[in-house]
Amino acid sequence: DAKTTQPPSMDCAEGRAANLPCNHSTISGNEYVYWYRQIHSQGPQYIIHGLKNNETNEMASLIITEDRKSSTLILPHATLRDTAVYYCIVRASLGGSNYKLTFGKGTLLTVNP
Amino acid sequence: GAGVSQTPSNKVTEKGKYVELRCDPISGHTALYWYRQSLGQGPEFLIYFQGTGAADDSGLPNDRFFAVRPEGSVSTLKIQRTERGDSAVYLCASARDRAGEAFFGQGTRLTVV
Repeated sequence: DAKTTQPPSMDCAEGRAANLPCNHSTISGNEYVYWYRQIHSQGPQYIIHGLKNNETNEMASLIITEDRKSSTLILPHATLRDTAVYYCIVRASLGGSNYKLTFGKGTLLTVNP
Repeated sequence: GAGVSQTPSNKVTEKGKYVELRCDPISGHTALYWYRQSLGQGPEFLIYFQGTGAADDSGLPNDRFFAVRPEGSVSTLKIQRTERGDSAVYLCASARDRAGEAFFGQGTRLTVV
């Protein structure tokens, strides 16, 4: 079973920041938080991952709470092309055992014009 | 491009037939994953290869499903005596190692009629 909880859907206005929450209260110390997204009829696309520090790349920012029980993916300026299902996944680091990506149902983010 | 390639993109087969689905991973990636995705659901783990060996096949639903990766590169997912319930999108992903970011192909849409 997926170890994360996400809202089933969210809406965001184009040009605004999209903040997608994820709860992972049972995360272990050696597990990372990964985010993927899946645009309709395409394979999942890697976005970002982090362990305990906040992370930022060209696609998004990842904010992880200090207790690591929840995180937020931030798309700073959402566009219509960001409409997709966003998956939050916990996964072991190298040397751990839970290396496979276990997907839940994710959050359907709809960016509106 | 240099991404994960899956062929065919679509496959329609009759119930009871045998099918093979092919995955060409990113060059140099040692880890390879197969997933299955039904409509409205997140991808479901099937099997994971590290090199040539199947390190984890716990997600294969039954013995009609089998996968190989004889030279540690291309992988083939084989389904015997197909059933209508096997209809889904079959996704392949590869990673540089078992904890690296996984990159997905576009999937093969299998329809069993």
